Amino acid sequence: GAVVSQHPSWVICKSGTSVKIECRSLDFQATTMFWYRQFPKQSLMLMATSNEGSKATYEQGVEKDKFLINHASLTLSTLTVTSAHPEDSSFYICSAGDRGHTDTQYFGPGTRLTVL
Amino acid sequence: KQEVTQIPAALSVPEGENLVLNCSFTDSAIYNLQWFRQDPGKGLTSLLLIQSSQREQTSGRLNASLDKSSGRSTLYIAASQPGDSATYLCAVEGGSGNTGKLIFGQGTTLQVKP
Repeated sequence: GAVVSQHPSWVICKSGTSVKIECRSLDFQATTMFWYRQFPKQSLMLMATSNEGSKATYEQGVEKDKFLINHASLTLSTLTVTSAHPEDSSFYICSAGDRGHTDTQYFGPGTRLTVL
Repeated sequence: KQEVTQIPAALSVPEGENLVLNCSFTDSAIYNLQWFRQDPGKGLTSLLLIQSSQREQTSGRLNASLDKSSGRSTLYIAASQPGDSATYLCAVEGGSGNTGKLIFGQGTTLQVKP
């Protein structure tokens, strides 16, 4: 089946620094990518929907200037957490699809971000 | 606003038992419903996808049912094994304003004891 990778798998950074997370579709072209955040023992919360070549659509309550999303190609989307703070520590998961509906959406393995 | 609820939050059973996980959603105008498995610290594995026009799907020891009108789905696991221990997440696409988006429940953490 289709494979989605994320890099890095985990990252530790100091408060105030920026961190970039990559999401790649390895064997298909992803017109749409989704970014989710998962706090410990909680469910996945959609942060934003990213369409190739256009601006991301952010969910209510998600700061677009803090979580910068770039979907520059059909195989790569990046999430940059700017000026990270300890409350941004979370598990970030991306998914990628090649249609508008989620029955062809594939999930990455996640990135664990810890901000000290 | 679509909301997804899963009951129970946690479940511990001895190996070999059959078990049922429950999922409910508030807006019945869904496109599909999926069940996922998540191992600790890992991403999601899709287990079963039920389109809105379907009533159930089966894969091996897993069977998922969907009653769209009542806003409910169940995941039935037969003859549970220790390897089934994981968190099971239910997610729906659809409901007002949610086309193309997955709304997740908080999951049921299952422990199967040998």
